[in-house]
Amino acid sequence: DARVTQTPRHKVTEMGQEVTMRCQPILGHNTVFWYRQTMMQGLELLAYFRNRAPLDDSGMPKDRFSAEMPDATLATLKIQPSEPRDSAVYFCASGLAPGNGAFFGQGTRLTVV
Amino acid sequence: AQSVSQHNHHVILSEAASLELGCNYSYGGTVNLFWYVQYPGQHLQLLLKYFSGDPLVKGIKGFEAEFIKSKFSFNLRKPSVQWSDTAEYFCAVSPSGSARQLTFGSGTQLTVLP
Repeated sequence: DARVTQTPRHKVTEMGQEVTMRCQPILGHNTVFWYRQTMMQGLELLAYFRNRAPLDDSGMPKDRFSAEMPDATLATLKIQPSEPRDSAVYFCASGLAPGNGAFFGQGTRLTVV
Repeated sequence: AQSVSQHNHHVILSEAASLELGCNYSYGGTVNLFWYVQYPGQHLQLLLKYFSGDPLVKGIKGFEAEFIKSKFSFNLRKPSVQWSDTAEYFCAVSPSGSARQLTFGSGTQLTVLP
């Protein structure tokens, strides 16, 4: 069955290291979202793409975060350098715009020590 | 591992009708519970959340939800829906006490007819 696939599921890294998270959206979906989930902030939208073009990345700290879609089957979220406050679960979701909702991946749990 | 079930995949209501969307979860420990809404073409937004205390929680836009521990349920309600409530609604659960992974239900598409 179709699903959004995120890798890795878990990542532990040291402060200052580069982290890359990957997402494979559902085939045919033209909208991809990146969310960050923390207990204090809940779910925050970091960025989203439509037809591979970034539409909104205002929720993302620009100095260290970057999001790209090299092709329609891959979205990446990179943090460089990582900091302990980046520890969170990062969700990718994909959907068909407009109005069809989004299917979420299982998330990448990032711990920066 | 926790899981979340939303039994209603698509709900169609007329304006002013009352709404109740079901959410059941399975997990052996204490949990935090959330309802998110995604309006057409937009990203997910938090409607309300339950961490502890009063099991009846009120959220934005007139929504409320009741946590019934014995039934492992966290149903979303609104006394009178509006056309602007047309959206997809996601229930989510995470174990209490630490920043752990959210598990989402599959979502319920609500269509409100004018």
